[in-house]
Amino acid sequence: AQTVTQSQPEMSVQEAETVTLSCTYDTSESDYYLFWYKQPPSRQMILVIRQEAYKQQNATENRFSVNFQKAAKSFSLKISDSQLGDAAMYFCAYPSNTGKLIFGQGTTLQVKP
Amino acid sequence: DGGITQSPKYLFRKEGQNVTLSCEQNLNHDAMYWYRQDPGQGLRLIYYSQIVNDFQKGDIAEGYSVSREKKESFPLTVTSAQKNPTAFYLCASSKKGGTGLAGELFFGEGSRLTVL
Repeated sequence: AQTVTQSQPEMSVQEAETVTLSCTYDTSESDYYLFWYKQPPSRQMILVIRQEAYKQQNATENRFSVNFQKAAKSFSLKISDSQLGDAAMYFCAYPSNTGKLIFGQGTTLQVKP
Repeated sequence: DGGITQSPKYLFRKEGQNVTLSCEQNLNHDAMYWYRQDPGQGLRLIYYSQIVNDFQKGDIAEGYSVSREKKESFPLTVTSAQKNPTAFYLCASSKKGGTGLAGELFFGEGSRLTVL
Protein backbone atom coordinates (compact mmCIF):
# COMPACT_ATOMS: atom_id res chain seq x y z
CA ALA A 1 0.00 0.00 0.00
CA GLN A 2 1.15 3.53 -0.72
CA THR A 3 1.34 5.56 2.47
CA VAL A 4 2.67 8.88 3.69
CA THR A 5 3.74 9.27 7.33
CA GLN A 6 4.36 12.44 9.29
CA SER A 7 5.56 11.39 12.71
CA GLN A 8 5.46 14.83 14.36
CA PRO A 9 1.89 15.95 15.17
CA GLU A 10 3.17 19.26 16.58
CA MET A 11 6.38 21.27 16.36
CA SER A 12 7.42 24.66 17.65
CA VAL A 13 10.22 27.00 16.64
CA GLN A 14 11.49 30.34 17.80
CA GLU A 15 11.11 33.19 15.34
CA ALA A 16 14.19 33.48 13.08
CA GLU A 17 15.31 29.94 13.92
CA THR A 18 15.28 26.85 11.68
CA VAL A 19 12.91 23.90 11.95
CA THR A 20 12.68 20.61 10.07
CA LEU A 21 9.46 18.69 9.52
CA SER A 22 9.79 15.02 8.69
CA CYS A 23 7.94 12.88 6.16
CA THR A 24 8.38 9.31 4.98
CA TYR A 25 6.49 7.53 2.25
CA ASP A 26 6.17 4.11 0.75
CA THR A 27 6.07 3.47 -2.98
CA SER A 28 7.30 1.09 -5.64
CA GLU A 29 7.30 3.80 -8.32
CA SER A 30 10.55 5.18 -9.69
CA ASP A 31 9.39 8.52 -11.09
CA TYR A 32 7.05 10.71 -9.09
CA TYR A 33 6.59 14.09 -7.45
CA LEU A 34 6.49 14.86 -3.77
CA PHE A 35 4.79 17.92 -2.32
CA TRP A 36 4.63 19.95 0.86
CA TYR A 37 1.44 21.94 1.41
CA LYS A 38 0.76 24.60 4.02
CA GLN A 39 -2.67 25.15 5.57
CA PRO A 40 -2.83 28.40 7.59
CA PRO A 41 -5.76 29.22 9.89
CA SER A 42 -7.69 30.45 6.84
CA ARG A 43 -7.79 26.74 5.81
CA GLN A 44 -6.65 27.49 2.23
CA MET A 45 -4.17 24.84 1.09
CA ILE A 46 -1.06 26.40 -0.42
CA LEU A 47 1.72 24.57 -2.22
CA VAL A 48 5.04 25.25 -0.49
CA ILE A 49 7.49 23.18 -2.50
CA ARG A 50 7.67 20.31 -4.98
CA GLN A 51 10.40 17.71 -5.52
CA GLU A 52 10.79 15.56 -8.63
CA ALA A 53 12.05 12.13 -7.68
CA TYR A 54 14.38 11.74 -10.65
CA LYS A 55 16.25 14.91 -9.70
CA GLN A 56 19.02 14.38 -7.19
CA GLN A 57 19.22 18.06 -6.32
CA ASN A 58 17.04 19.09 -3.40
CA ALA A 59 14.35 21.63 -4.23
CA THR A 60 14.56 25.11 -2.72
CA GLU A 61 12.02 27.94 -2.59
CA ASN A 62 13.35 30.97 -0.74
CA ARG A 63 13.40 30.00 2.97
CA PHE A 64 11.96 26.55 2.29
CA SER A 65 14.07 23.60 1.23
CA VAL A 66 13.77 19.84 1.26
CA ASN A 67 16.07 17.01 2.18
CA PHE A 68 15.07 14.29 -0.26
CA GLN A 69 16.56 10.86 0.31
CA LYS A 70 15.07 8.58 -2.33
CA ALA A 71 16.57 5.32 -1.08
CA ALA A 72 15.31 5.98 2.42
CA LYS A 73 11.96 7.30 1.07
CA SER A 74 12.33 10.38 3.21
CA PHE A 75 11.21 13.90 2.28
CA SER A 76 11.73 16.43 5.06
CA LEU A 77 10.95 20.16 4.89
CA LYS A 78 13.36 22.71 6.34
CA ILE A 79 12.13 26.21 7.13
CA SER A 80 14.91 28.71 7.69
CA ASP A 81 14.57 32.09 9.41
CA SER A 82 11.10 31.16 10.64
CA GLN A 83 8.49 33.90 10.58
CA LEU A 84 5.23 34.29 12.47
CA GLY A 85 3.38 33.81 9.19
CA ASP A 86 4.84 30.33 8.87
CA ALA A 87 2.58 29.10 11.67
CA ALA A 88 0.26 26.60 10.04
CA MET A 89 -0.43 22.95 9.51
CA TYR A 90 1.95 21.35 7.03
CA PHE A 91 1.10 18.32 4.93
CA CYS A 92 3.41 16.09 2.99
CA ALA A 93 1.79 14.54 -0.10
CA TYR A 94 2.57 11.91 -2.69
CA PRO A 95 0.61 11.10 -5.87
CA SER A 96 -0.42 7.46 -6.07
CA ASN A 97 -0.16 5.45 -9.27
CA THR A 98 -3.86 6.10 -9.88
CA GLY A 99 -3.39 9.86 -9.79
CA LYS A 100 -4.75 10.41 -6.31
CA LEU A 101 -2.72 12.58 -3.98
CA ILE A 102 -2.08 10.82 -0.67
CA PHE A 103 -1.61 13.14 2.30
CA GLY A 104 0.14 12.61 5.59
CA GLN A 105 -1.64 13.38 8.85
CA GLY A 106 -0.08 16.81 9.08
CA THR A 107 2.28 18.65 11.44
CA THR A 108 1.09 21.73 13.27
CA LEU A 109 3.88 24.29 13.44
CA GLN A 110 3.87 26.96 16.13
CA VAL A 111 6.21 29.94 15.75
CA LYS A 112 7.11 31.70 18.98
CA PRO A 113 7.97 35.42 18.92
CA ASP B 1 -7.73 35.21 -12.59
CA GLY B 2 -7.75 31.43 -12.86
CA GLY B 3 -8.67 29.40 -9.86
CA ILE B 4 -11.12 27.18 -8.06
CA THR B 5 -14.31 28.51 -6.54
CA GLN B 6 -16.21 26.65 -3.88
CA SER B 7 -19.62 27.65 -2.59
CA PRO B 8 -21.07 28.15 -0.15
CA LYS B 9 -18.31 28.80 2.37
CA TYR B 10 -20.58 27.95 5.27
CA LEU B 11 -23.62 25.70 5.17
CA PHE B 12 -25.98 24.45 7.84
CA ARG B 13 -28.11 21.40 7.33
CA LYS B 14 -30.79 19.65 9.28
CA GLU B 15 -30.50 15.96 9.77
CA GLY B 16 -32.09 14.00 6.94
CA GLN B 17 -31.49 16.65 4.31
CA ASN B 18 -29.29 16.37 1.25
CA VAL B 19 -27.01 19.28 0.45
CA THR B 20 -24.87 20.04 -2.57
CA LEU B 21 -21.50 21.78 -2.47
CA SER B 22 -20.41 23.54 -5.62
CA CYS B 23 -16.91 23.45 -7.12
CA GLU B 24 -15.99 25.31 -10.31
CA GLN B 25 -12.56 25.69 -11.91
CA ASN B 26 -11.37 27.78 -14.85
CA LEU B 27 -7.87 26.33 -14.97
CA ASN B 28 -8.72 23.90 -17.79
CA HIS B 29 -7.68 21.02 -15.54
CA ASP B 30 -8.75 17.50 -16.40
CA ALA B 31 -8.83 16.04 -12.89
CA MET B 32 -10.92 17.19 -9.95
CA TYR B 33 -11.11 15.92 -6.39
CA TRP B 34 -13.16 16.22 -3.20
CA TYR B 35 -11.51 15.88 0.19
CA ARG B 36 -12.94 15.88 3.68
CA GLN B 37 -11.03 17.30 6.63
CA ASP B 38 -12.00 16.85 10.27
CA PRO B 39 -10.56 19.07 13.05
CA GLY B 40 -6.85 18.55 13.51
CA GLN B 41 -6.81 15.79 10.92
CA GLY B 42 -5.40 15.22 7.46
CA LEU B 43 -7.33 15.10 4.21
CA ARG B 44 -9.35 12.08 3.19
CA LEU B 45 -10.39 11.56 -0.42
CA ILE B 46 -14.12 11.26 -1.06
CA TYR B 47 -14.38 11.13 -4.87
CA TYR B 48 -12.23 12.07 -7.82
CA SER B 49 -12.71 12.50 -11.53
CA GLN B 50 -10.02 12.35 -14.19
CA ILE B 51 -12.26 13.08 -17.17
CA VAL B 52 -15.73 14.37 -17.93
CA ASN B 53 -18.56 11.88 -17.33
CA ASP B 54 -16.34 9.62 -15.28
CA PHE B 55 -15.48 9.50 -11.58
CA GLN B 56 -14.13 7.08 -9.00
CA LYS B 57 -14.74 6.52 -5.32
CA GLY B 58 -12.06 7.58 -2.90
CA ASP B 59 -11.45 6.25 0.57
CA ILE B 60 -14.67 7.53 2.20
CA ALA B 61 -17.30 7.69 -0.55
CA GLU B 62 -20.21 6.25 1.44
CA GLY B 63 -22.99 8.79 1.89
CA TYR B 64 -21.69 11.07 -0.86
CA SER B 65 -22.39 11.42 -4.57
CA VAL B 66 -20.83 13.45 -7.39
CA SER B 67 -21.31 14.25 -11.05
CA ARG B 68 -18.94 15.49 -13.75
CA GLU B 69 -21.08 16.69 -16.64
CA LYS B 70 -18.73 19.53 -17.50
CA LYS B 71 -14.96 19.83 -17.29
CA GLU B 72 -15.25 22.94 -15.15
CA SER B 73 -17.67 21.61 -12.56
CA PHE B 74 -17.59 18.83 -9.96
CA PRO B 75 -20.42 19.23 -7.43
CA LEU B 76 -20.56 17.08 -4.30
CA THR B 77 -23.84 16.01 -2.72
CA VAL B 78 -23.81 15.05 0.93
CA THR B 79 -26.76 12.74 1.35
CA SER B 80 -28.78 11.87 4.42
CA ALA B 81 -26.98 8.51 4.40
CA GLN B 82 -23.76 10.20 5.54
CA LYS B 83 -23.81 9.57 9.27
CA ASN B 84 -21.40 12.26 10.38
CA PRO B 85 -21.30 14.96 7.72
CA THR B 86 -20.11 17.89 9.85
CA ALA B 87 -16.67 18.68 8.43
CA PHE B 88 -14.61 20.96 6.23
CA TYR B 89 -14.75 20.04 2.54
CA LEU B 90 -12.01 20.90 0.07
CA CYS B 91 -12.24 20.73 -3.70
CA ALA B 92 -9.10 20.52 -5.81
CA SER B 93 -8.02 20.13 -9.41
CA SER B 94 -4.89 19.11 -11.27
CA LYS B 95 -3.66 19.10 -14.85
CA LYS B 96 -3.78 15.36 -15.15
CA GLY B 97 -4.28 12.27 -13.13
CA GLY B 98 -3.87 8.57 -13.53
CA THR B 99 -0.10 8.34 -13.35
CA GLY B 100 2.55 8.72 -10.75
CA LEU B 101 3.56 11.93 -12.43
CA ALA B 102 0.30 13.64 -11.58
CA GLY B 103 0.80 17.34 -11.11
CA GLU B 104 0.22 19.46 -8.07
CA LEU B 105 -3.25 20.06 -6.75
CA PHE B 106 -4.82 23.49 -6.74
CA PHE B 107 -7.34 23.94 -3.95
CA GLY B 108 -10.46 25.98 -3.40
CA GLU B 109 -11.03 27.84 -0.15
CA GLY B 110 -13.23 25.12 1.25
CA SER B 111 -16.79 24.74 2.51
CA ARG B 112 -17.70 24.16 6.13
CA LEU B 113 -20.79 22.03 6.60
CA THR B 114 -22.50 21.85 9.97
CA VAL B 115 -25.37 19.52 10.71
CA LEU B 116 -27.80 20.86 13.28
